[in-house]
Amino acid sequence: KNEVEQSPQNLTAQEGEFITINCSYSVGISALHWLQQHPGGGIVSLFMLSSGKKKHGRLIATINIQEKHSSLHITASHPRDSAVYICAGPNTGNQFYFGTGTSLTVIP
Amino acid sequence: NAGVTQTPKFRILKIGQSMTLQCTQDMNHNYMYWYRQDPGMGLKLIYYSVGAGITDKGEVPNGYNVSRSTTEDFPLRLELAAPSQTSVYFCASSQGGVGTEAFFGQGTRLTVV
Repeated sequence: KNEVEQSPQNLTAQEGEFITINCSYSVGISALHWLQQHPGGGIVSLFMLSSGKKKHGRLIATINIQEKHSSLHITASHPRDSAVYICAGPNTGNQFYFGTGTSLTVIP
Repeated sequence: NAGVTQTPKFRILKIGQSMTLQCTQDMNHNYMYWYRQDPGMGLKLIYYSVGAGITDKGEVPNGYNVSRSTTEDFPLRLELAAPSQTSVYFCASSQGGVGTEAFFGQGTRLTVV
């Protein structure tokens, strides 16, 4: 069992839809990262959060440390949001627990 | 602002050959990491470094070596390439370890035939 589980694994949405990707973890972590991997392969850090909510443009990330759960929301989705979204939690050994990613396709 | 630069972007190796994947960052970050990503799998840590002269093994270090002679550079060496090393390799850096924002390179797609 992965320490970090993401759902869904694959998601197809129509342009304009509100999208939610979930991340649950079974280990104690102090913060959680959301990463975006573009179809070309590059990885970009979207958020790092340890409590509450963060917003950047149309992306919103929330976390509940006690419930060991985080969500990534995309409002008014657009085809350029099509990517793999990865959540990752740091352990105490300078390593990440990575989720296997959610592949999002937004159809025009 | 270059960030994290990896070279090459693509490479095909024959079984038994060796090669070095280069990684350079210009952000003066102390922490650097090498990951591999197999199809349908999450990123797995190969090696990491917390500063020049210091390296440590990650989850999947067998078949690889690293060095960190400068803050900027963190090359990954593959000795005696094997088909199991076919993967996409990512280098990353951060200022304060995994509790701070990570910056990734564009990746190196390696095929061993």
